[in-house]
Amino acid sequence: EPEVTQTPSHQVTQMGQEVILRCVPISNHLYFYWYRQILGQKVEFLVSFYNNEISEKSEIFDDQFSVERPDGSNFTLKIRSTKLEDSAMYFCASSEGRGDYGYTFGSGTRLTVV
Amino acid sequence: QKEVEQDPGPLSVPEGAIVSLNCTYSNSAFQYFMWYRQYSRKGPELLMYTYSSGNKEDGRFTAQVDKSSKYISLFIRDSQPSDSATYLCAMSPLLGFGNEKLTFGTGTRLTIIP
Repeated sequence: EPEVTQTPSHQVTQMGQEVILRCVPISNHLYFYWYRQILGQKVEFLVSFYNNEISEKSEIFDDQFSVERPDGSNFTLKIRSTKLEDSAMYFCASSEGRGDYGYTFGSGTRLTVV
Repeated sequence: QKEVEQDPGPLSVPEGAIVSLNCTYSNSAFQYFMWYRQYSRKGPELLMYTYSSGNKEDGRFTAQVDKSSKYISLFIRDSQPSDSATYLCAMSPLLGFGNEKLTFGTGTRLTIIP
């Protein structure tokens, strides 16, 4: 079964450092997403991406965040200057976008900011 | 009022029992309703999705949507220990047109006791 692949599975970074979280969505999917889940809290939408541009973003997704699809397979989330409160599980997801299917989520990257 | 409310549990039931999981919501624009299963430190896995009101059955799982009451349910028949996980409801106003943001409930932690 096709999978969304995320790397690394766990990243530890110092406060103020830049991090890039990487995702390989399912190959025929057209819509890509980042969500995050702070420990013990609900899964929260960050951003959706379609046709090489952001289609929607949440209040969480401020100027410190950016997304990119640098080639035909990867989808990245960059946090420019990490804060302690950015510590969370970050999930990439993709969908075919035809309204008939839910997302497929990756297994997540656990980001720990120290 | 929160947009999506879900009893976090925990909920423990004996093996073989019927499990009922529920969410309520306040946003009448929600049209698509999904149930995800999440194992510890893994990404959400889509179980069921439904559009608008009605029932949908898939094996041991039945999803119900009552838009008039803004209430959705997931029933698990003949529950198994492998069903032990956190169950997340998720909703979206529209899918497939670049507006696929999902709003999640907090999740209900379910344990099936052998």
